Amino acid sequence: DIQLTQSPSFLSASVGDRVTITCRASQGISSHLAWYQKKPGTAPKLLIYAASALQSGVPSRFSGSGSETEFTLTITSLQSEDFAEYYCQQLNSFPLTFGGGTKVE
Amino acid sequence: VQLLQSGGGLIEPGGSLRLYCAASGFKFSGYAMTWVRQAPGKGLEWVSTVSNDDTTHYADSVRGRFTVSRDKSKNMLYLQMNSLRGEDTAFYYCAKDAAVAGFDYWGQGILVTVSS
Repeated sequence: DIQLTQSPSFLSASVGDRVTITCRASQGISSHLAWYQKKPGTAPKLLIYAASALQSGVPSRFSGSGSETEFTLTITSLQSEDFAEYYCQQLNSFPLTFGGGTKVE
Repeated sequence: VQLLQSGGGLIEPGGSLRLYCAASGFKFSGYAMTWVRQAPGKGLEWVSTVSNDDTTHYADSVRGRFTVSRDKSKNMLYLQMNSLRGEDTAFYYCAKDAAVAGFDYWGQGILVTVSS
C-alpha cells in the first residue's frame, strides 16, 4: 500500500500569510495526487488534481506542484475562509489513500 | 451534479445498515463512484470504489463486511455494511470519482453510529 505523509500536522497562520503543506508518498505515484479542503460539518472539497491542476471554481491563490514522491500545496495570501483541514490523496493505485491531514488554524 | 445521501443512523455492534446515494446531473453509468468516511476526530479514510464496469475495490478494514453496488437504471449507489463495529462509527460520504482527476463532487455526508 502507498503511504502518504503530510507535514506539518498543524500550522498556525494569519490572514495574508503564504502557507505551504508537503505530502510525501512512500513510492512514486507520477502526478496522481489530489488535494482536498475539509471544514467541520461539510463535505471535502477538491482543490487540486493531477498534482497541479486547479479544480474549476477554486481560487487561484491555491496551487499544487510536485511529482512521484514529493508534492506541495501552496496558499498564497491566506484568507479567513481558508482556515480548515487539508488532505492529500493518491489516485495511483488501490487501496486509495489519504494523508493524515494538516490543520491550518 | 447532486449526490443525495440517506440511510445512516444508530446501530448496535454486529448489526447491518445500508447507505444510499442518489445521483443526478451527470452520466452516472460513465463514472466510478466511491465511499469515503471520517471517524470523529480522525482523518479521511477511503472505504470502497465501484468502477464504471462494476469492478469493486475495498479498504482492508471493511473487506468481507461491506459491499458496494450500484443500480445504473436508478442512478443509485449503495453501501451494504454488515458486522458493524464501533470503529465503523463515522460520517460516510459518497463521491463521484473522476479517476486521476480526483473526487470532484460529494454527497452531504451521513452519520453512522455503532454503539450499544
